[in-house]
Amino acid sequence: EIVLTQSPDFQSVTPKETVTITCRASENIGFSLHWYQQKPDQSPSLVMKMASQSISGVPSRISGSGSGTDFALTINGFEVEDAATYYCHQSSDVPWTFGQGTKLEIK
Amino acid sequence: EVQLVESGGGLVKPGESMRLSCAASGFMFSSESMNWVRQAPGKGLEWVATIAGGGLSTFYADSVTGRFTISRDNVNKSLYLEMTSLTGADTAVYYCTRFATRVGAFDVWGRGKLVTVSS
Repeated sequence: EIVLTQSPDFQSVTPKETVTITCRASENIGFSLHWYQQKPDQSPSLVMKMASQSISGVPSRISGSGSGTDFALTINGFEVEDAATYYCHQSSDVPWTFGQGTKLEIK
Repeated sequence: EVQLVESGGGLVKPGESMRLSCAASGFMFSSESMNWVRQAPGKGLEWVATIAGGGLSTFYADSVTGRFTISRDNVNKSLYLEMTSLTGADTAVYYCTRFATRVGAFDVWGRGKLVTVSS
């Protein structure tokens, strides 16, 4: 099983700040890494696919990078609406797995 | 509008069974792999099961293999999850999700249904 480890688990963010979440895979997964945003009492929603491919309707301040085992999701100019828990997910091999989540809150 | 709507769920006793359903609309259902992903209260996301578009291939997490069965009805655009021998560890919100091949990720999610296993 491919293990995904996110860092940090929690971060308090000031509006307009740039924040980066990382996700490390236990083995090479190429570009098969995706990011989801989940707000309280809502379903997760896809915000980045294939490491760095943007999703229609997702603000351009959210970007992704990485390949192989190390990935990152960056929010440039954090806004109140970005406060949520973010999960990475690998679709390189079954069982598909998720990171443990990173909760971003407004400072 | 692309939509997934789950039904079923609720309270069930340990050892009992339950069936979840998911109604799809707004896309070519038979062309897409469908999945169940769950989230225990206050916890992270866990992939549960996948079924290919044609229904011939299925995959399961080790934690549910032998107890859960994923199936689909492409005529009625419905996805199912039959859960047996339920335990407290199965208590979670169960989400129906689409894995679009052209996207390579879970691009559509239902609102989820809570399954609570308790005596």
